[in-house]
Amino acid sequence: SAVISQKPSRDICQRGTSLTIQCQVDSQVTMMFWYRQQPGQSLTLIATANQGSEATYESGFVIDKFPISRPNLTFSTLTVSNMSPEDSSIYLCSVGTVYGYTFGSGTRLTVV
Amino acid sequence: AQSVAQPEDQVNVAEGNPLTVKCTYSVSGNPYLFWYVQYPNRGLQFLLKYITGDNLVKGSYGFEAEFNKSQTSFHLKKPSALVSDSALYFCAVSPFSGGYQKVTFGTGTKLQVIP
Repeated sequence: SAVISQKPSRDICQRGTSLTIQCQVDSQVTMMFWYRQQPGQSLTLIATANQGSEATYESGFVIDKFPISRPNLTFSTLTVSNMSPEDSSIYLCSVGTVYGYTFGSGTRLTVV
Repeated sequence: AQSVAQPEDQVNVAEGNPLTVKCTYSVSGNPYLFWYVQYPNRGLQFLLKYITGDNLVKGSYGFEAEFNKSQTSFHLKKPSALVSDSALYFCAVSPFSGGYQKVTFGTGTKLQVIP
């Protein structure tokens, strides 16, 4: 199955700043997914990113807050903008393959 | 709308005993079902999936899951628990309609295997 390299693995950021999370896949994939896992919670889908088109955001998530880039079939970034302590979460990228959905190791973000 | 219920926040089992982690789901059409495990400070690791075929699915690390269409359940099982199985387990569902669809996760069940 696909192998995903996600970075940074963790970061501590000041409120009001932005953080860009990168996901690199070792094979070409059509769709990439970005999830948020708030402390003690399950995973919530933020958006679906197709190469060459605008990302599709789920209810409650907006492009201005979580801009996504998908410049090619192996790479995507998620930016968490104008951060507040409520954005402290684990952020994970995921891709779909014939084996199922594979996840990156996650980015643990703490906003102070 | 699709949904997943994991009714137990935590399951405790003695090492060597069989374990079951429960999951029920709701989805339009046929389901595509998954189990993932999350160890502390780690991402999600795929355990197993069900699409069609045999209702008993075997996965990684000796885990298996049984699909029951009438009960809309997909319980995770293992005949003999190990202390190293202690982790957070997520059940997930998506509609099986070709292509990649939105995956909905349950709230997770913490498995604690007691030595």
